[in-house]
Parts: sequence; structure tokens; C-alpha cells
Amino acid sequence: AQSVTQLDSHVSVSEGTPVLLRCNYSSSYSPSLFWYVQHPNKGLQLLLKYTSAATLVKGINGFEAEFKKSETSFHLTKPSAHMSDAAEYFCVVSDRAGYQKVTFGIGTKLQVIP
Amino acid sequence: GAGVSQSPSNKVTEKGKDVELRCDPISGHTALYWYRQSLGQGLEFLIYFQGNSAPDKSGLPSDRFSAERTGGSVSTLTIQRTQQEDSAVYLCASSLGLAGGARSYEQYFGPGTRLTVT
Repeated sequence: AQSVTQLDSHVSVSEGTPVLLRCNYSSSYSPSLFWYVQHPNKGLQLLLKYTSAATLVKGINGFEAEFKKSETSFHLTKPSAHMSDAAEYFCVVSDRAGYQKVTFGIGTKLQVIP
Repeated sequence: GAGVSQSPSNKVTEKGKDVELRCDPISGHTALYWYRQSLGQGLEFLIYFQGNSAPDKSGLPSDRFSAERTGGSVSTLTIQRTQQEDSAVYLCASSLGLAGGARSYEQYFGPGTRLTVT
């Protein structure tokens, strides 16, 4: 069984300050993990993914995430927030056993204050 | 290349009517997913197709919902006797599926169909 928990429904940061969006997962196997971003009135876009290679994963727009098996976490970070980062972010998990069905977290809305 | 397309982009229907939502996946993608996104909620999995295998229908909320995928490509999600609680954005995604190796899980999403039941 697989599940994902996004610990914050809303996060507010000032422009230029670091971003931390938290995600914990549960998986019966070695999981694949993803972050997707959804800007207002736009479709979902893959931000980055972890599929058992390097545990520190770099994505688009300066975001990165670190897979920590001991903590079952896959938190999303960015050193300096930009106004254009305001969006909703979804953490996604998939068991790696040829099982293609993924599970989405409930999402974290990121607000960036000028 | 072309991405995932969905039609219509918006649909307003009266309670009790049937609706059909269409999804055209990326060419060559063997896996296709339907999700529902309600206001203030995350994505709710509905159904998953992989090639010619029997679909995983475990997320369909009631027997009023059904989906088919013809020829391993285009998919139609049908909602019969629509209810107001069916109002949501319905998202379709496709991926390379089991043949995709390390990229098999990357889903590409369409723009969605916003369904409003009055």
C-alpha cells in the first residue's frame, strides 16, 4: 500500500526567502516520488522526480528535493522564493513494482509575499 | 509534440443528465489516467488504463461513472444521471506506462474539463 502526507495545506513566505514544502510517504516497496506544480488556471506540470538514483533531486525553476528513507520524507525546497512560484504543489508516490497507479497528496498552496 | 488534450474545456449540465468527457493522450503513451479535482481538495484517482489490460476502476465513486478507452488511445469518461456533487475539474493524464522504464511513472496532464452540474 502507498500513501503520501503533505504536512501543510498552506505555506506563506516572503519573496527572496527559502521555501520548504513537507511531504512524508508510506510505501510497501522502494517508491518513486514526484512533485507536481499547478499554477492558477493551468495544468499540472512535473517539477521533479526520484526513481532510486541520486537521493538529492534537482528540478525545474531552482527547486530540489531530498529522498530520506530513514525519515520516509521527500521535502521540496528552494533557496529563494520568487513571486512566480506562487502555486499549488502536489507530492506523489508510486510503489515500484510495476504498479503504475500513483497517489497524490492533498496539495500545499504556496503564497509568496512581495 | 502535442500534449494531452481534453474536451470540452467547460461543461455545464442539468442535474440528472448524462455527460461524456473526452481525453486524447500523447501518442505512444500506453497508460491513461482519469482524476477528479474538487474545489479545495487534492486529486482523486478515478480509473487507470494500461495497454490492453483490464482497467483499474477502484477509484470510481459510484456506478454512475464509467470509462472506456478505444484502440488503446482516446478515452471517454461518462457520468450518468449527474448530481451536483459531481461538479469538479476532471483531469486526464497519460504516461509511457510499463514500457517506459525510468520514465514510466511520469504523467503528463491535460488542461482538464470543468464540469458544473446545476
